[in-house]
Amino acid sequence: EAGVAQSPRYKIIEKRQSVAFWCNPISGHATLYWYQQILGQGPKLLIQFQNNGVVDDSQLPKDRFSAERLKGVDSTLKIQPAKLEDSAVYLCASSASGTAYEQYFGPGTRLTVT
Amino acid sequence: EDKVVQSPLSLVVHEGDTVTLNCSYEVTNFRSLLWYKQEKKAPTFLFMLTSSGIEKKSGRLSSILDKKELFSILNITATQTGDSAIYLCAVSAGTYKYIFGTGTRLKVLA
Repeated sequence: EAGVAQSPRYKIIEKRQSVAFWCNPISGHATLYWYQQILGQGPKLLIQFQNNGVVDDSQLPKDRFSAERLKGVDSTLKIQPAKLEDSAVYLCASSASGTAYEQYFGPGTRLTVT
Repeated sequence: EDKVVQSPLSLVVHEGDTVTLNCSYEVTNFRSLLWYKQEKKAPTFLFMLTSSGIEKKSGRLSSILDKKELFSILNITATQTGDSAIYLCAVSAGTYKYIFGTGTRLKVLA
């Protein structure tokens, strides 16, 4: 079974620039999560999709972050404009629908904002 | 506010030692508690616990949940250098929402 795919793996941008991350979940997984993991901290949920609908985006800084999940499969997370404090690893995860099963994580994207 | 607290924050042991990692939580609508191992980037799943008092075991790793006292422990016996990682505890609450602790950084010395 193919895992969760993410790209790019690394990104360096200057503050105030824009950046987008892509995630392809495990086939058949209806629930998709985006997390932000700052160095030394646990992952923080940014947004959760169930199919193509948003279940929880309470911790998403909506003035600069946006996310979409077209057709309930792939998802993109965008930051515009980026700030220094956005430097982190952005993890995408997916899980089977209907139950709180374990999540499967992608390799993450390490973002550095200079 | 939902929260998950892990202790210790970091731990250094020698190969062969036994370690116990702790995770306590306060959440509404508890569903399950999960343990992950994070070595480089992506956390990898270890255990999911939903019932109190039932030990989950995989090789040298084991875990148990106490839903009355709201905590879980992860034990690693006969530690090896390959066990060096960050161990994350996450609690599933509400509508499939996962809340992560800050993790315990374990370093095993040869």
